[in-house]
Amino acid sequence: DQQVKQNSPSLSVQEGRISILNCDYTNSMFDYFLWYKKYPAEGPTFLISISSIKDKNEDGRFTVFLNKSAKHLSLHIVPSQPGDSAVYFCAASDRGSRLTFGEGTQLTVNP
Amino acid sequence: GAGVSQSPSNKVTEKGKDVELRCDPISGHTALYWYRQSLGQGLEFLIYFQGNSAPDKSGLPSDRFSAERTGGSVSTLTIQRTQQEDSAVYLCVSSKTPGNTGELFFGEGSRLTVL
Repeated sequence: DQQVKQNSPSLSVQEGRISILNCDYTNSMFDYFLWYKKYPAEGPTFLISISSIKDKNEDGRFTVFLNKSAKHLSLHIVPSQPGDSAVYFCAASDRGSRLTFGEGTQLTVNP
Repeated sequence: GAGVSQSPSNKVTEKGKDVELRCDPISGHTALYWYRQSLGQGLEFLIYFQGNSAPDKSGLPSDRFSAERTGGSVSTLTIQRTQQEDSAVYLCVSSKTPGNTGELFFGEGSRLTVL
């Protein structure tokens, strides 16, 4: 049972445009959501998070949106840069338990 | 170093052999997790250690898998009688805060290939 799903295995955008990465979840107990970024041959690194009491969190070029009624969150990167090319993992938890990760989306930003 | 350290970075073994993977978490981080990533798959939870509490072993795929965390710091993941489906990147993760409201810090992973 895949509780966190990233339905797009890959996404390709032009430099300067917006990248939108999507994530859906099924467990209504999830109350904290995170995005991780992974370059080849490296471990994932934390990017941005959002608590369920919010619907938006912004950090520079990165914004995460949470729609609890739809059990959907998205990561927006504006403007996209070639260095943003990586695999992006969505993750969710209910307080005090382990993180459940999505399958990841490979983002490619073309110069 | 300041990050999560894992060894070996690469391990090739024959089917049926035992392997041990080691993790040195960030100093002071009480939470330690093992995840694995198989080709084309997401990050799969294996086991979670938090302080002196009993570990959450619910993600271990079979009884061939076990893990220890000695002295609240270094952890070893052991896979006995390895199978080809065990081939994956095994990631160690540590966190300063209990539960998952804090950031997780990932090691670079140990890539296991079972021939």
